[in-house]
Amino acid sequence: EAGVAQSPRYKIIEKRQSVAFWCNPISGHATLYWYQQILGQGPKLLIQFQNNGVVDDSQLPKDRFSAERLKGVDSTLKIQPAKLEDSAVYLCASSLGQGRWSTEAFFGQGTRLTVV
Amino acid sequence: TQLLEQSPQFLSIQEGENLTVYCNSSSVFSSLQWYRQEPGEGPVLLVTVVTGGEVKKLKRLTFQFGDARKDSSLHITAAQPGDTGLYLCAGHGSSNTGKLIFGQGTTLQVKP
Repeated sequence: EAGVAQSPRYKIIEKRQSVAFWCNPISGHATLYWYQQILGQGPKLLIQFQNNGVVDDSQLPKDRFSAERLKGVDSTLKIQPAKLEDSAVYLCASSLGQGRWSTEAFFGQGTRLTVV
Repeated sequence: TQLLEQSPQFLSIQEGENLTVYCNSSSVFSSLQWYRQEPGEGPVLLVTVVTGGEVKKLKRLTFQFGDARKDSSLHITAAQPGDTGLYLCAGHGSSNTGKLIFGQGTTLQVKP
């Protein structure tokens, strides 16, 4: 079974530029998550989709971050314009169940973003 | 807002020692999970605990879920260098959305 695919693996941009990350979850997984992880810290949930609907985006900085999950499958996360403090690893995960009955979350390898 | 607090944040021990990592919250969780993350990789699930008071064992790792489903612990017996990594607890909230949130993590370093 193929895992969660993310691209790119690494990205370096200048502040005020825009960037987009792509995620292909495991086939059939209803729930998709985007997390931001600062080195040595736990992942911070940015947005959680259930199929193609948003169930939580309370910690997504909506003035600069946006995300979509077209047709309930692939997802993209965009930052525009980027700030220095956005430097982090962006993790995508998916799980089979829905809501609080979701089971194991499977993670991609993440995209390491450096804003200079 | 549901929060998970882990302690300690950093632990450096010698091979063969025992250790315990704690995960606490003031909120009730429908389930708690423990993940391990290695550098350059995403977290990988170790265990899920669902029932208050539940104890699960995975080789040298013992996981416990508090009776009130607000806290959990991870105990490692006779730690080995291969146990080195970032240990994360995570919980699905009790609301129907099931938002999956993580603690801040415990970085474990086991020296040979």
